[in-house]
Amino acid sequence: DQQVKQNSPSLSVQEGRISILNCDYTNSMFDYFLWYKKYPAEGPTFLISISSIKDKNEDGRFTVFLNKSAKHLSLHIVPSQPGDSAVYFCAASETSYDKVIFGPGTSLSVIP
Amino acid sequence: GAGVSQSPSNKVTEKGKDVELRCDPISGHTALYWYRQSLGQGLEFLIYFQGNSAPDKSGLPSDRFSAERTGGSVSTLTIQRTQQEDSAVYLCASSLVRGQAGELFFGEGSRLTVL
Repeated sequence: DQQVKQNSPSLSVQEGRISILNCDYTNSMFDYFLWYKKYPAEGPTFLISISSIKDKNEDGRFTVFLNKSAKHLSLHIVPSQPGDSAVYFCAASETSYDKVIFGPGTSLSVIP
Repeated sequence: GAGVSQSPSNKVTEKGKDVELRCDPISGHTALYWYRQSLGQGLEFLIYFQGNSAPDKSGLPSDRFSAERTGGSVSTLTIQRTQQEDSAVYLCASSLVRGQAGELFFGEGSRLTVL
């Protein structure tokens, strides 16, 4: 049973527009949420995180929104750039000492 | 280098053989993870080591898979009697004991192909 879901396997966005990547989770005990970005033939790299005490965290062009009651989070990229084209993974854990569970990923293509 | 190092980067083996994959985490990182990514799939959790605690092995797919972490540093993932469905990229990650903004640092992975 998949605890972290990313229902859109792929997404295409025009350069300069907003990219919105969605993530849903089923485990109500999850307290920490992270987004990772992965280019082909490379390991994932950390993008941004949020804990359950917040509903928004912003870092430059990247903003993560958390709706705990809906068990939903999203990553917004504004403005999108061609270099943002990659696979984005949503991840979650119950506590800072717990294992991190990843979603299946969403492949983002930013079209110049 | 200062990052997570994995070896070998590529391994081709015959069905039924045993393989060992190695991970050197970032110095000082107490947590170490193994994940695998099969073709077209997401990151599947395998095992998690945290300090001196017993490892969380809940993601290991069968008893052919095992992992150890010696001296709280280097880890080896062993797959016995490999099967074709074991073909995947095996990713190792390490992290500090995390607070609010913890993150995992990944290696580049070991690509395993079982013929």
